[in-house]
Amino acid sequence: GENVEQHPSTLSVQEGDSAVIKCTYSDSASNYFPWYKQELGKRPQLIIDIRSNVGEKKDQRIAVTLNKTAKHFSLHITETQPEDSAVYFCAASKGQNFVFGPGTRLSVLP
Amino acid sequence: EAQVTQNPRYLITVTGKKLTVTCSQNMNHEYMSWYRQDPGLGLRQIYYSMNVEVTDKGDVPEGYKVSRKEKRNFPLILESPSPNQTSLYFCASNLGGAYNEQFFGPGTRLTVL
Repeated sequence: GENVEQHPSTLSVQEGDSAVIKCTYSDSASNYFPWYKQELGKRPQLIIDIRSNVGEKKDQRIAVTLNKTAKHFSLHITETQPEDSAVYFCAASKGQNFVFGPGTRLSVLP
Repeated sequence: EAQVTQNPRYLITVTGKKLTVTCSQNMNHEYMSWYRQDPGLGLRQIYYSMNVEVTDKGDVPEGYKVSRKEKRNFPLILESPSPNQTSLYFCASNLGGAYNEQFFGPGTRLTVL
């Protein structure tokens, strides 16, 4: 089955700097790659997603890139703010079978 | 308000005592899923449902049952809970097709003693 790895497990950045989180997947049939943000004690919420027919997608300070050949995708957050502090999960799916990475705890230091 | 609800939010039980966690969505979504979240392991899909009476196993289905008798409801059943099922459980739904964004419920924290 699908296996999703995510790095780093923890990331600390200074406010205003950029943050990058990387994920790899194993099943070349996966075709949808969402990123979720989970604040402490809250439910996960979608922040951006990308499909396998697209290489890059951007939404304000957040961007995702996908390299299908290498089977990896990355989340880029620019101009980080304290409210970006949370746990971020990547996922890969085909159909309704979603496999999540173990998560990255991002801390933005003021 | 469009939402996914789960009940109960917190549950402490003992080994072997059957329990059900309910999940309901009011968005007319076709698809629903159950996940468990454990530290360092992320979210792991237990079961998912594509429609009424259509369910399939996720990555960690052992020890769980589900049913989808109505479109809006997708209960998770633990017939004989064990301590290794102590976890945070999330229900989610999505519209499907080009709209795969999963909307998560608030979570149910289950402790099995």
